[in-house]
Amino acid sequence: QQQVKQSPQSLIVQKGGIPIINCAYENTAFDYFPWYQQFPGKGPALLIAIRPDVSEKKEGRFTISFNKSAKQFSLHIMDSQPGDSATYFCAASRGNQFYFGTGTSLTVIP
Amino acid sequence: DTGVSQDPRHKITKRGQNVTFRCDPISEHNRLYWYRQTLGQGPEFLTYFQNEAQLEKSRLLSDRFSAERPKGSFSTLEIQRTEQGDSAMYLCASSLGWGRTEAFFGQGTRLTVV
Repeated sequence: QQQVKQSPQSLIVQKGGIPIINCAYENTAFDYFPWYQQFPGKGPALLIAIRPDVSEKKEGRFTISFNKSAKQFSLHIMDSQPGDSATYFCAASRGNQFYFGTGTSLTVIP
Repeated sequence: DTGVSQDPRHKITKRGQNVTFRCDPISEHNRLYWYRQTLGQGPEFLTYFQNEAQLEKSRLLSDRFSAERPKGSFSTLEIQRTEQGDSAMYLCASSLGWGRTEAFFGQGTRLTVV
C-alpha cells in the first residue's frame, strides 16, 4: 500500500516555467513532509520541508504548499532552469520512518 | 566532506554470495536509516537505529539481511546468500534526532547480483 501518492510521473517544462508536483497522503499521524531532489547515480538531497502547522513555505525558488484538510501538498519550482532537471520525491514522516512517493522526473528544456 | 558516506559505491556479486555495505553518518547524528531503492521507485524503508539500538525493521528486511551499528557511529548492512531480486541501490541516511527530523542521504551503494 502506497502511503504517499505522487503525480505526475514525468513533467517537461520550458526554462522559466513553473513545474508543480503534487502529493497526497492518508495517515494523519504524519507530521513532517520533505521534498528530495535526486540526480542519476546520486542519493536523494533534501530540498525543502514543511510541517502541517503552516500552509506554505518558500526557500529560494522552491515553494511547498500544504493543505492539511485535503491531506495534500505540492512543490512549485519558480523560474525553472535546465539544472533543475532531476527526479523529485515527496515524503511523509511520523518520526522514525519516511514514506516516499514514486517520484517525478522533471525535464526543463532550455 | 562531512556528509553521509557510503562504501562501496558499486558492488557486483554472484548469486549466493554474501555482501556487506558500510555507512558513516554525519558525526553528531544519532539516528541512522537504511533504505532500498529500485529503478523508477522511491526509497523504501528497511531499518532504523537510534544510537546503537535497532528500533525498527521493515518486513522487507528478510532474515538474509542484518544491520548493525555497534558503537552508535558507523553502520553495516549485510546481505547473505544474495538473490537477483536484491539488486538495487542501498541508501543510508542520518538525522540529528532530538526533534530535528531532517534526514540526509548518502550517495548509496549500487548492488548488482548476477
